[in-house]
Amino acid sequence: DARVTQTPRHKVTEMGQEVTMRCQPILGHNTVFWYRQTMMQGLELLAYFRNRAPLDDSGMPKDRFSAEMPDATLATLKIQPSEPRDSAVYFCASGSRQGGHEQYFGPGTRLTVT
Amino acid sequence: EDQVTQSPEALRLQEGESSSLNCSYTVSGLRGLFWYRQDPGKGPEFLFTLYSAGEEKEKERLKATLTKKESFLHITAPKPEDSATYLCAVWFSGGYNKLIFGAGTRLAVHP
Repeated sequence: DARVTQTPRHKVTEMGQEVTMRCQPILGHNTVFWYRQTMMQGLELLAYFRNRAPLDDSGMPKDRFSAEMPDATLATLKIQPSEPRDSAVYFCASGSRQGGHEQYFGPGTRLTVT
Repeated sequence: EDQVTQSPEALRLQEGESSSLNCSYTVSGLRGLFWYRQDPGKGPEFLFTLYSAGEEKEKERLKATLTKKESFLHITAPKPEDSATYLCAVWFSGGYNKLIFGAGTRLAVHP
């Protein structure tokens, strides 16, 4: 049963600390997406990659957020320094052209910044 | 501006009471429309993809339809386990694989 996995599932940290979230996309998928979900804003696209290359990160606050794909099995989203307004659920999703462009989501990382 | 609007925001149904959820969109060059279901504390779960006006897809009590301006998710004789938030998303020309999501419809089905 192929699934997107994300770690950690929950993270509580203090303002100013660095936060790293990890995602393992479904094997064989060549696109990876990072989303943030809040009650107020819904699902917002932060960044996405195709074949490990960043295609669009216009949704990310560039001064504090960074996203990378060190290899095809790992995507990371880093926040440094974190702020209380970053509190949200962060989802990773993966997809493929062959699959019809639908995206498959992971369980999310619930981030709380105090 | 590319936009996806879902209505209603929330819907309460009695078990067995059929209804429809709406997703209207204003994007240039729709290439695909996706429906997802999201349960509390979980990631969105893919349901359907629709690519062209007139297309329909069915899965159990759910049927999705697509016109040139909107999509409907019809729920026939819903059960309490159908309670969830239903999200639609559009993929459009120039967006690569990017999707724009609507805000969702929160569906509650009561016995």
